[in-house]
Amino acid sequence: AQRVTQPEKLLSVFKGAPVELKCNYSYSGSPELFWYVQYSRQRLQLLLRHISRESIKGFTADLNKGETSFHLKKPFAQEEDSAMYYCALTPNSNYQLIWGAGTKLIIKP
Amino acid sequence: GAGVSQSPSNKVTEKGKDVELRCDPISGHTALYWYRQSLGQGLEFLIYFQGNSAPDKSGLPSDRFSAERTGGSVSTLTIQRTQQEDSAVYLCASSTGGGISYEQYFGPGTRLTVT
Repeated sequence: AQRVTQPEKLLSVFKGAPVELKCNYSYSGSPELFWYVQYSRQRLQLLLRHISRESIKGFTADLNKGETSFHLKKPFAQEEDSAMYYCALTPNSNYQLIWGAGTKLIIKP
Repeated sequence: GAGVSQSPSNKVTEKGKDVELRCDPISGHTALYWYRQSLGQGLEFLIYFQGNSAPDKSGLPSDRFSAERTGGSVSTLTIQRTQQEDSAVYLCASSTGGGISYEQYFGPGTRLTVT
């Protein structure tokens, strides 16, 4: 079955420290993977998608098919990065997204 | 510009009652999605509309759940004979086209509490 696992419900790091939010998936084909973010009192929004290979707000994510992972990384965390982060995949390059349970990231000053 | 709007923002209802949740997508967006997010869980896909048609209703958890979309715009998600396990945040999203190539824009959600 297709599944997205975010093993950490909560991650707390100090400002300026590197941050890595883990995402592992279960899917036998070639998925498309996404990270979504929800800042406090704001709507859920797309942060980045692996096919774009872009860096958004200093975040990057690399798809590792061997480890079936799509971890989100940022070398120097900022306080404004505090938010809920969700990893999601689409299994059939169509429209349905399968979501992880999310990781709450807290950046301590 | 105006984003996706949902109403009501909060709904408390008694077990067994019917509820209607409304979604107003971004103007011109042809695709519309409904998701459910239970406490501590990720989003669960419910249904997808392309125009007024729903090619995929596979995510609806039971026949108590139904949704329609009229005029290629507003969508209503109806839950009949609500149960406590229906308590969740219901999110709506829209996109310019159907398919994952198109970014989904989310509404603020409706928090449903069944007592």
